[in-house]
Amino acid sequence: NAGVTQTPKFQVLKTGQSMTLQCAQDMNHNSMYWYRQDPGMGLRLIYYSASEGTTDKGEVPNGYNVSRLNKREFSLRLESAAPSQTSVYFCASSNTGGVTGELFFGEGSRLTVL
Amino acid sequence: GNSVTQMEGPVTLSEEAFLTINCTYTATGYPSLFWYVQYPGEGLQLLLKATKADDKGSNKGFEATYRKETTSFHLEKGSVQVSDSAVYFCALSDPGRVTDKLIFGTGTRLQVFP
Repeated sequence: NAGVTQTPKFQVLKTGQSMTLQCAQDMNHNSMYWYRQDPGMGLRLIYYSASEGTTDKGEVPNGYNVSRLNKREFSLRLESAAPSQTSVYFCASSNTGGVTGELFFGEGSRLTVL
Repeated sequence: GNSVTQMEGPVTLSEEAFLTINCTYTATGYPSLFWYVQYPGEGLQLLLKATKADDKGSNKGFEATYRKETTSFHLEKGSVQVSDSAVYFCALSDPGRVTDKLIFGTGTRLQVFP
């Protein structure tokens, strides 16, 4: 059981380049999330999707776009990368309305913007 | 707004020592509270949770009690092991339960030495 899979695991970009982080879950969860993790800041929510076909901004959405391609996949796009977007990005999923309210996380994608 | 405050790290302990990591929260309504753990190079995983006041969550020898009167959810373990070395995040859920999006603290790094 793969759980939440993120690709790529590592990426180096130059300022102004674009890229897409891919995320897929195989647990039939209806909600998916993108967080970024920075030293001393904990995890901050970028965007989330409560259900297929819907997306909403989180705490730090500027500079990012998302697509909920289907129930399994939720991608995060950086159109013009900036050094401030150097971070570790985590995708997560949950079964909203379920008993636990537990989020399941991928292993993370480490992005460096030069 | 809703927020979580954790004690600064790192916390450095010898094996078999007693552990306390403090967590306090600010929230409207009645959130659920969580402790997540992140081992080196991995994503976050749920350690324990509590969904209402006076609930005690427990797992792998760790426990935490949801204290509404002090708005706290401190993590404790009676005897830590080297394998407990990780970063620990306190988190609270959306009190409205519209989604499972979580608000995380900044994380506390625990280092346990033999």
